[in-house]
Amino acid sequence: AQSVTQPDIHITVSEGASLELRCNYSYGATPYLFWYVQSPGQGLQLLLKYFSGDTLVQGIKGFEAEFKRSQSSFNLRKPSVHWSDAAEYFCAVAGTSGTYKYIFGTGTRLKVLA
Amino acid sequence: EAQVTQNPRYLITVTGKKLTVTCSQNMNHEYMSWYRQDPGLGLRQIYYSMNVEVTDKGDVPEGYKVSRKEKRNFPLILESPSPNQTSLYFCASRSAGGYSYEQFFGPGTRLTVL
Repeated sequence: AQSVTQPDIHITVSEGASLELRCNYSYGATPYLFWYVQSPGQGLQLLLKYFSGDTLVQGIKGFEAEFKRSQSSFNLRKPSVHWSDAAEYFCAVAGTSGTYKYIFGTGTRLKVLA
Repeated sequence: EAQVTQNPRYLITVTGKKLTVTCSQNMNHEYMSWYRQDPGLGLRQIYYSMNVEVTDKGDVPEGYKVSRKEKRNFPLILESPSPNQTSLYFCASRSAGGYSYEQFFGPGTRLTVL
């Protein structure tokens, strides 16, 4: 069955520290992969996406993610976290067969300590 | 400005009283979708539509109806709301063209059913 796992429900980091949010997926083929961010009381904003090619993708707000096929992972990273990064982060996969099927992970809530 | 709009943003209602949450997009997108977001469960797809008059069930369609009579609008209908439908609802759209697969989300509708 297709699934997306975000094993960390909550993560707390200090401002200026590095960040890595984990995402693992289960899919029959290489899916399209996404990271979205949801600030408190807001909708979802796309941070970055992977379709093919270079496995390290750059996104907005200084985020990057690396696709590792052998590990079925698409982890999100940021070298230095800012207080404004406190939010909930969702990993998602979409099928490549033309169906309109998105599967979201359960989210990781990031807290940033001043 | 390209956007997905939802109305109302907040709604408190009582069990059994029919309601409609509207969704509209101005990007001429073919695909539209409804999700509900619940703590610890992430976003789950309720219904989606691939074009006018073409809709299909997502993962949690029970208790919901949708229609797609116009390309820009995709209302979500709760014929007889129940307390377990208390949730945060998001509408999303994307283009069928290209390989973007990027979804654009509305701001969300917080529904409380008493």
